[in-house]
Amino acid sequence: EIVLTQSPATLSLSLGERATLSCRASQSVSSYLAWYQQKLGQAPRLLIYDASNRATGIPARFSGSGSGTDFTLTISSLAPEDFAVYYCQQRSKWPLTFGGGTKVEIK
Amino acid sequence: EVQLVESGGGLIQPWDSLRLSCAASGFTFSTYFMSWVRQAPGKGLEWVANIKEDGSDKYYVDSVEGRFTISRDNAKNSVYLHMNSLRVEDTAVYYCVRGSGWYDPFDMWGQGTMVTVSS
Repeated sequence: EIVLTQSPATLSLSLGERATLSCRASQSVSSYLAWYQQKLGQAPRLLIYDASNRATGIPARFSGSGSGTDFTLTISSLAPEDFAVYYCQQRSKWPLTFGGGTKVEIK
Repeated sequence: EVQLVESGGGLIQPWDSLRLSCAASGFTFSTYFMSWVRQAPGKGLEWVANIKEDGSDKYYVDSVEGRFTISRDNAKNSVYLHMNSLRVEDTAVYYCVRGSGWYDPFDMWGQGTMVTVSS
């Protein structure tokens, strides 16, 4: 099973700041990595698929990069609605697995 | 508007069975893989199972293999999760999700239904 390790566990930032979230895989997943956002009490929402492709309707301030074992989700300037938990997910090898999440909170 | 509406959750005792349902609307259901993903209270996400567009192929995480069965009825635009021999560790919110997570991403999620397994 591929283990995805997300860091940091919690990121405390202010409105307008840049957020950089990391996802590291225990073995290469090529570019088969997605990112999801989950706000409190809500279902997750797809942000990025295949490492760097924004999903429909996702603002341009969200971007994804990386390949192999190291991936980054960047939020260029935090908006109030961006404070949430973010999960990465790999589709390189069964079973599909998710990372443990990074919580982005208001500083 | 794409909608996925789950139902069937509740409080159930260990070893009992439960069937979750998911009603889909707003898209051509029969052309999409469908999945179930769960989230234990205060925890992260765990993929549980998925089913091919025509129901011919099904995949499960090891921890539910042999206990859970995913199925679908394309005439009713619905997908189901039959859960047998439930364990305390199956307690979670169960999300119905469009996509396989493999051939395509999990691009639409329902609001989830809570399953609590407790004596």
